[in-house]
Amino acid sequence: EVQLLESGGGLVHPGGSLRLSCAASGFTFRSFAMNWVRQAPGKGLEWVSGVSGSGGNTHYADSVKGRFTISRDSSKSTLRLQMNSLRAEDTALYFCVKALESAMGPDAFDVWGHGTMVTVSP
Amino acid sequence: DIQMTQSPSTLPASVGDRVTITCRASQSISSWLAWYQQKPGKAPKLLIFKASRLENGVPSRFSGSGSGAEYTLTISSLQPDDFATYYCQQYNTYSRWTFGQGTTVEI
Repeated sequence: EVQLLESGGGLVHPGGSLRLSCAASGFTFRSFAMNWVRQAPGKGLEWVSGVSGSGGNTHYADSVKGRFTISRDSSKSTLRLQMNSLRAEDTALYFCVKALESAMGPDAFDVWGHGTMVTVSP
Repeated sequence: DIQMTQSPSTLPASVGDRVTITCRASQSISSWLAWYQQKPGKAPKLLIFKASRLENGVPSRFSGSGSGAEYTLTISSLQPDDFATYYCQQYNTYSRWTFGQGTTVEI
């Protein structure tokens, strides 16, 4: 069974840092791009960041560029998101998401984790 | 970035109804469109990709259509399990995925 399990969320002060992890299982990790999508409380979905199957191509939403860093470790089938300079508006449930068909390029998201909550508050 | 606008925001409906949700992009997205269903406290679930292709295991009462900048999700006969929020997502512009604001189908 394909599974994604996020961890690392929590309460952090503005300006602080947090590292999210996502443990993947049930599929060939390096064959698919991976992404982070977030959802603020009571709000819609926002794509945050993505990484190609090889890890060589990374992409960020303008709202997090320069503050967040996505990475992947194929030896451990793990996706990570390093979040620095956190702001109140980063408060959200962060989902780890698998690309449907490819390691890179336009793709829908077919597998979602349950999410890990990040709260940025004084 | 491409903006995605869903309508309506809320859709009152009853079991057995035929339901249609529309998603309009700010420019042509060449059918690079997906639909997701999300229930409270749960992760989104992929229903449709490439505008009209049904994801494995999704009931055939769900269908997608459209082209260019306008797309629709149709539920042919609404079931109790279908009351949820639905999101469209464009993936035409690589690394600039955007979602619609969501449509809540409610009783």
